[in-house]
Amino acid sequence: GAGVSQSPSNKVTEKGKDVELRCDPISGHTALYWYRQSLGQGLEFLIYFQGNSAPDKSGLPSDRFSAERTGGSVSTLTIQRTQQEDSAVYLCASSSSSYNSPLHFGNGTRLTVT
Amino acid sequence: GDSVTQMEGPVTLSEEAFLTINCTYTATGYPSLFWYVQYPGEGLQLLLKATKADDKGSNKGFEATYRKETTSFHLEKGSVQVSDSAVYFCALHKTSYDKVIFGPGTSLSVIP
Repeated sequence: GAGVSQSPSNKVTEKGKDVELRCDPISGHTALYWYRQSLGQGLEFLIYFQGNSAPDKSGLPSDRFSAERTGGSVSTLTIQRTQQEDSAVYLCASSSSSYNSPLHFGNGTRLTVT
Repeated sequence: GDSVTQMEGPVTLSEEAFLTINCTYTATGYPSLFWYVQYPGEGLQLLLKATKADDKGSNKGFEATYRKETTSFHLEKGSVQVSDSAVYFCALHKTSYDKVIFGPGTSLSVIP
């Protein structure tokens, strides 16, 4: 079946522009996560959703970052007024509601801010 | 708060060597434990999991046993191959309403 789909796969933007990153989770998965991974680094948690609500937004680095999820499905991560330090791979993952179900990751969006 | 600690890399081994990557956790209750792997240029994928104490997860020759008494979930493989070169992440998930918590990752390089 279809996995987690992220778009675009690559995004180059100029400093100060806004960007939107999209995640299509696996159908029926209620939990959706956003992570950021810089080159050679670990996973930086950004936000996660249960259904359409976000119980934990603690990882969003600043108020330039926001995310929403509609219809319990597609999620969009928006970065306003991008900075060079925002350059990274943004990963989305989804899972079913059970705590012992694994996360399924997308291939990520590589964001480069010039 | 809940957390996962794993040995920092990079770890470099010769082919056919024995591998152990340590993972310990701090959490109340009885979380499920996971190992994820990220091969070069690829996305993260589940390697194995264990959902209760004394469970052993296994896959692709890798094993990890959920040790409640030592709050550990160490990853082992008896004979590593060059193709095992990757970054390995230990993770825990406590309840459906809690987020998944990842360790910092351990980079493994296997040389011929």
